[in-house]
Amino acid sequence: AQTVTQSQPEMSVQEAETVTLSCTYDTSESDYYLFWYKQPPSRQMILVIRQEAYKQQNATENRFSVNFQKAAKSFSLKISDSQLGDAAMYFCAVILTGGGNKLTFGTGTQLKVEL
Amino acid sequence: NAGVTQTPKFRILKIGQSMTLQCAQDMNHNYMYWYRQDPGMGLKLIYYSVGAGITDKGEVPNGYNVSRSTTEDFPLRLELAAPSQTSVYFCASSTDITKNIQYFGAGTRLSVL
Repeated sequence: AQTVTQSQPEMSVQEAETVTLSCTYDTSESDYYLFWYKQPPSRQMILVIRQEAYKQQNATENRFSVNFQKAAKSFSLKISDSQLGDAAMYFCAVILTGGGNKLTFGTGTQLKVEL
Repeated sequence: NAGVTQTPKFRILKIGQSMTLQCAQDMNHNYMYWYRQDPGMGLKLIYYSVGAGITDKGEVPNGYNVSRSTTEDFPLRLELAAPSQTSVYFCASSTDITKNIQYFGAGTRLSVL
């Protein structure tokens, strides 16, 4: 079974600065997808970014980008030009292709954005 | 533009009571999921379904039951509620294996006292 580890329970960043959230995972499979989800105080789970394991190019979505290191099984999220609205809990997740699309989540990183 | 709709948003149960958490999606997604989120933790999969009439257990299925009679609906049944089932419950759906993107409902906060 796959596991996901987020070793930073909390992170803080100044508004307009850059922050990187860490995530490592473990799976014996070679074909999978990785995700970062954002959960603001409203509790709604919002997809931030998605990375296909077979693609070497790191995914980007506006101010959000990832550093995907497949050999190291590392999948960090970089948030540039941080905004107050970025404050939330961020979850890293992995899904294996096939087998019902079952997501395995990490325990989350609470991001605080300070003025 | 409803997406995934969960009802109710909040519920308090007494120990031993039963209830059904409702989940409906209007995106014609084949895959649907139920997760629970305990305080300070990530989501854990309870049950999932790959289509109408097909369900399977996830990581933490004990104490729950599901059914999938239609593509749109995927209710989660709690029988004999216990304090350990106090949690936030999320329903999600996804379209296919190639994209693997799951869309979540707003969650149901359940307390068992």
